[in-house]
Amino acid sequence: QVPLVESGGGVVQPGRSLRLSCAASGVTIRSYAMHWVRQPPGKGLEWLAVISYDGSNKYYADSVKGRFTISRDNSKNTLYLQMNSLRVEDTAVYYCARDQGDGYNNDGADYWGQGTLVTVSS
Amino acid sequence: EIVLTQSPGTLSLSPGERATLSCRASQSVSSSYLAWYQHKPGQPPRLLIYGTSSRATGIPDRFSGSGSGTDFTLTVSRLELEDFAVYYCQQYGSSLHTFGQGTKLEIK
Repeated sequence: QVPLVESGGGVVQPGRSLRLSCAASGVTIRSYAMHWVRQPPGKGLEWLAVISYDGSNKYYADSVKGRFTISRDNSKNTLYLQMNSLRVEDTAVYYCARDQGDGYNNDGADYWGQGTLVTVSS
Repeated sequence: EIVLTQSPGTLSLSPGERATLSCRASQSVSSSYLAWYQHKPGQPPRLLIYGTSSRATGIPDRFSGSGSGTDFTLTVSRLELEDFAVYYCQQYGSSLHTFGQGTKLEIK
């Protein structure tokens, strides 16, 4: 059983928006910080954003700050990533991950989804 | 932003040998908040080490982490075939949790 399942990926034109979801199954996320991480084709991992367990604290990589928004709905055990003003260079596999900490004290991400592919192309 | 530089870019070794991977930070990593991940094609990353030297659940003891300040090391004492993959370090001592660029561990 896969603990985290991403959805919402696909092909989108530059400048458009997309919202990714990450549903937790078999694990709870309500007490843990959550992350979004991506891997462009042929490149390494890039950390994008983190949200604390209660949604109060959010931090973003400079590459997505002001364009992407991380959010969560603990009642639905679900994490989101709203991606606006998409660029060709945002093309990547997007992973959600659960931290071992709560966002005020972090300790590495121990559960990951399988990833969803986002392709930005005209 | 803390920049992590991993070396070497590629490491070619044989099963049974010892692997030493390096991760250097552009500034001191707060409270040794450094993790190592293993990543294989088609799979999500796997947490190996957190807090510089603590093994994650289910990680065999041939994996060990060490270091402090700006210099960190992941050691695999006796390589097994399943260990050949890409390894990333990540710091989470600042609000931006940056990754290194990765070290590819390949079979010689």
